[in-house]
Amino acid sequence: GAVVSQHPSRVICKSGTSVKIECRSLDFQATTMFWYRQFPKQSLMLMATSNEGSKATYEQGVEKDKFLINHASLTLSTLTVTSAHPEDSSFYICSARQGAQRSQHFGDGTRLSIL
Amino acid sequence: QKEVEQDPGPLSVPEGAIVSLNCTYSNSAFQYFMWYRQYSRKGPELLMYTYSSGNKEDGRFTAQVDKSSKYISLFIRDSQPSDSATYLCAMSDFNTGKLIFGQGTTLQVKP
Repeated sequence: GAVVSQHPSRVICKSGTSVKIECRSLDFQATTMFWYRQFPKQSLMLMATSNEGSKATYEQGVEKDKFLINHASLTLSTLTVTSAHPEDSSFYICSARQGAQRSQHFGDGTRLSIL
Repeated sequence: QKEVEQDPGPLSVPEGAIVSLNCTYSNSAFQYFMWYRQYSRKGPELLMYTYSSGNKEDGRFTAQVDKSSKYISLFIRDSQPSDSATYLCAMSDFNTGKLIFGQGTTLQVKP
């Protein structure tokens, strides 16, 4: 149980393109989803917390207009990287929390490469 | 000082060895403790989830929490090559619900 699906797994696109990443909880309802960014050989950096039906809460230093988050249902959250540039190239991972539990279940990540 | 400290390794052990992975933390508000395993190019997978001080065992894995020392450990018995991965400790305080991760320790188990 507690499976989180993230799509796509890999994106390569030109600078200036907007990229949408989907995160779905397949077998449970996730009132809260999280978006992380991970650089090579480094830990996960929380970008934003997304609650179903409300605006996302962004961490300090994360541009909300650059990284648009939508959490329209209890099983789906999306992250859109707008007008992506090479410095946005990274590994983006979503997670979902089930009910009142404190643990999070992660998707397999999206490797984004901006040329 | 980081809130969570974890030696990045790498740690290399022979197959069958007992592995000890550790994290220290500074925030007394942390109440929930987790260990995740992350294979290359994959998302983290939850291994162990503990709340109180003491030990919790699941198969070859044992998680240990010492809140008085602000120190947590993960032990892997009879390590296998398939255990080769990066192990991340994570902790959460009751108020924010956010997870704070350690840097991760890279483990290699050699056949």
